[in-house]
Amino acid sequence: GQSLEQPSEVTAVEGAIVQINCTYQTSGFYGLSWYQQHDGGAPTFLSYNALDGLEETGRFSSFLSRSDSYGYLLLQELQMKDSASYFCAVRGGATNKLIFGTGTLLAVQP
Amino acid sequence: DSGVTQTPKHLITATGQRVTLRCSPRSGDLSVYWYQQSLDQGLQFLIQYYNGEERAKGNILERFSAQQFPDLHSELNLSSLELGDSALYFCASSGPPRGSEKLFFGSGTQLSVL
Repeated sequence: GQSLEQPSEVTAVEGAIVQINCTYQTSGFYGLSWYQQHDGGAPTFLSYNALDGLEETGRFSSFLSRSDSYGYLLLQELQMKDSASYFCAVRGGATNKLIFGTGTLLAVQP
Repeated sequence: DSGVTQTPKHLITATGQRVTLRCSPRSGDLSVYWYQQSLDQGLQFLIQYYNGEERAKGNILERFSAQQFPDLHSELNLSSLELGDSALYFCASSGPPRGSEKLFFGSGTQLSVL
């Protein structure tokens, strides 16, 4: 089957850098995605990695290592509005299901 | 605004009842996904449709069913409701295969079973 692991909570201060890790298990791996969800809101797409390496989009970057079944989301210059839950998601398995991790709650403190 | 419309936003019903959740995907998107999010839980994949056909299935209960219509809107039917079915149900859509990794989520339907 498919499974993902990510830390349940992370705390950081405004202006800092934080890294949210994600390890996954799946057969037929296609790619790793990251989504942000503010409390009670709809998840919004942040990034997608299909190949090894770092993808940068503004203050957010995402990294993938296929050989280690591992990825991370890097948030720089943290702002209070970055306080949210962050989910990694993997597409794979026999039917290409898109499965989400349990989410990491990021709390940004002043 | 993601362009994905879900109705209703809130639904309160009793155990044993049946409800229908509706989703209109973004214009041009062929894939529709349904996810369930219980309190403080992650997004549990239920089912995916692509251009009217079932593409992938998660741990969807037998009491739940879904379909995607020719106009590409989708409905999720939940029957014989139990207290544990109370959750936020999200619909998401994505484009043709080339852009299919970016899902656009609706604002969700909050279901409360009393």
